[in-house]
Amino acid sequence: QQQVKQSPQSLIVQKGGISIINCAYENTAFDYFPWYQQFPGKGPALLIAIRPDVSEKKEGRFTISFNKSAKQFSLHIMDSQPGDSATYFCAASRGKSSGDKLTFGTGTRLAVRP
Amino acid sequence: GAVVSQHPSRVICKSGTSVKIECRSLDFQATTMFWYRQFPKQSLMLMATSNEGSKATYEQGVEKDKFLINHASLTLSTLTVTSAHPEDSSFYICSASLGGQGAWGYTFGSGTRLTVV
Repeated sequence: QQQVKQSPQSLIVQKGGISIINCAYENTAFDYFPWYQQFPGKGPALLIAIRPDVSEKKEGRFTISFNKSAKQFSLHIMDSQPGDSATYFCAASRGKSSGDKLTFGTGTRLAVRP
Repeated sequence: GAVVSQHPSRVICKSGTSVKIECRSLDFQATTMFWYRQFPKQSLMLMATSNEGSKATYEQGVEKDKFLINHASLTLSTLTVTSAHPEDSSFYICSASLGGQGAWGYTFGSGTRLTVV
């Protein structure tokens, strides 16, 4: 019930293309769904996050699509750039004030070819 | 805002010694902090959750006597790896919940690369 499944494990995209990473969760109590970007040797950095009361959220080139009934959410990176090459993690948690832990997906290594 | 500072960024220690990693919230009070361990090309694995002024809650399989966590103030949590061995070599990352600030989300430290020789 605590799992978050992420795919694909790795992704190669040409510069200017669209990168799409998918996640699925089981615990319906989750109500916070962030995406993190991690470069080698660094901690994860928040890219964008969504709550289940909306189906889509866009910030610059990054968009989260959320399907509550299917318990799935995805990250779209438009106009992918070589600088976007990193590992991306989806995650989920419940509660704002409870300090509940994040459950992470397994990660997607994105390589954007110039 | 909501910055977490983690030190040291890298540490090399001899087998059998102890190493302390610090995680400080710079501009907010972190009621709850989390400690993760990450092996190469793998996801973050939660080790423990620490709440200020109380004992840490460890995840199943994590040795509490080996990984000592102290959260004595609202701005500082420490992880001490006791009697370190080569298999403890890993990337350790702390995170703070922003929930105590009435906000959503978490902020992460920059990580500590521990190498035990």
